[in-house]
Amino acid sequence: EVQVVESGGGLVQPGGSLRLSCAASGFTFNRYWMHWVRQAPGKGLVWVSRINDNGSDRDYADSVKGRFTISRDNAKNTLYLQINTLRVEDTAVYFCVRGGWDGKDLDYWGQGTLVTVSS
Amino acid sequence: DIVMTQSPDSLAVSLGERATINCKSSQSVLYRSNNKNYLAWYQQKVGQPPRLLIYWASTRESGVPDRFSGSGSGTDFALTISSLQAEDVAVYYCQQYYDARRTFGQGTKVEIK
Repeated sequence: EVQVVESGGGLVQPGGSLRLSCAASGFTFNRYWMHWVRQAPGKGLVWVSRINDNGSDRDYADSVKGRFTISRDNAKNTLYLQINTLRVEDTAVYFCVRGGWDGKDLDYWGQGTLVTVSS
Repeated sequence: DIVMTQSPDSLAVSLGERATINCKSSQSVLYRSNNKNYLAWYQQKVGQPPRLLIYWASTRESGVPDRFSGSGSGTDFALTISSLQAEDVAVYYCQQYYDARRTFGQGTKVEIK
């Protein structure tokens, strides 16, 4: 069974940093692109970042470029999101999502991890 | 970035009736090389992560009931629920994957009238 499980969220002060992790299982991790998508409380979905299967290609939303870094460790089947210089508006549930094949884009979603930025 | 705009923002439909959600992209998401529209629909129920319903604008994901259908091409798309069931109460999102930087519509909340 395909599973992606996020961890690492929590309460952080503005300007702080956090590293989110996503443990993948049930599929050959190193063959898939992976994404992060976030959702502020009561709001819609916002794509954050993606990384290709071997980690050589990455893209970011303008709102996080320069502050967020996506990475992966294929030996550990784990995806990461390093979040620096946190802002109040970064408060959201962060979903780890598998990028599918054959036309399917975001096909498996984790339950998400909540990041709260507040003083 | 490609802007995705859904209408309406919310929709109340009687059980067994049809529900239609529209989605418009600010530029075409049709790849001429393979004649595929890079447009997906997701369903998000309260307290749950989103679930992929439709990809390539009209292909149902495995396990999705056939009352869900997607249509459209280029810049104008629709998701139709042919006979609304109680378990279909959710927020529905369209999303383009034509561009490396994905974008979602703002979401449409579907409720029972």
